[in-house]
Amino acid sequence: QVQLLESGTGLVKPSGTLSLTCAVSGGSISSTNWWSWVRQPPGKGLEWIGQIYHNGNTNYNPSLESRVTISVDKSKNQFSLKLSSVTAADTAVYYCASQYSNSYYFDYWGQGTLVTVSS
Amino acid sequence: QSALTQPASVSGSPGQSITISCTGPRSDVVNYDLVSWYQHHPGKAPKLMIFAVNKRPSGVSARFSGSKSGNTASLTISGLQAEDEADYYCCSYAGSYYVFGTGTKVTVL
Repeated sequence: QVQLLESGTGLVKPSGTLSLTCAVSGGSISSTNWWSWVRQPPGKGLEWIGQIYHNGNTNYNPSLESRVTISVDKSKNQFSLKLSSVTAADTAVYYCASQYSNSYYFDYWGQGTLVTVSS
Repeated sequence: QSALTQPASVSGSPGQSITISCTGPRSDVVNYDLVSWYQHHPGKAPKLMIFAVNKRPSGVSARFSGSKSGNTASLTISGLQAEDEADYYCCSYAGSYYVFGTGTKVTVL
């Protein structure tokens, strides 16, 4: 069974870049899965950020696309999120999640990591 | 892009059935055949409860069921139990990106 574990900087200054990594265990990142990032601001709902396939193909939320980069590191079996020009509105719990092939649903999730944007 | 609209809260007594709706734009914008539902207890990872409108992953109770009509999907929880108290989100695919519902807090009275 796939397990996902998020890690990264918990505090980012406004206008800076948020960087997170999701380590994949129990499966290969080169499998037929898409790998996604989802976030939840305090007191608000879930928001899909984007996804990547092991060959580097990506899809992003149109509302975040200009600031988001998702990449994959096959040698470390992990994928990463970078979100630039952050503001307080980007403060959220960030989750990584997987979806099998073209299944269109997220079957495995990480526990989430809180990122706070503050000076 | 617009989120899918859900009621902010739904409540029921133990043993009762409740239904959560998920309504969005017209079906050529969001694919309602691909709706999935997630249960989210605060501080924990969201859990997949229903996919492809009405399919249950292995291990999910048969008390959870899904359906759709037009541009509205629904999640029904039968025989409500205390452990069902959580936030629930619908989600679907809109061509090249995913959109989540606004979320519904289920309270077991």
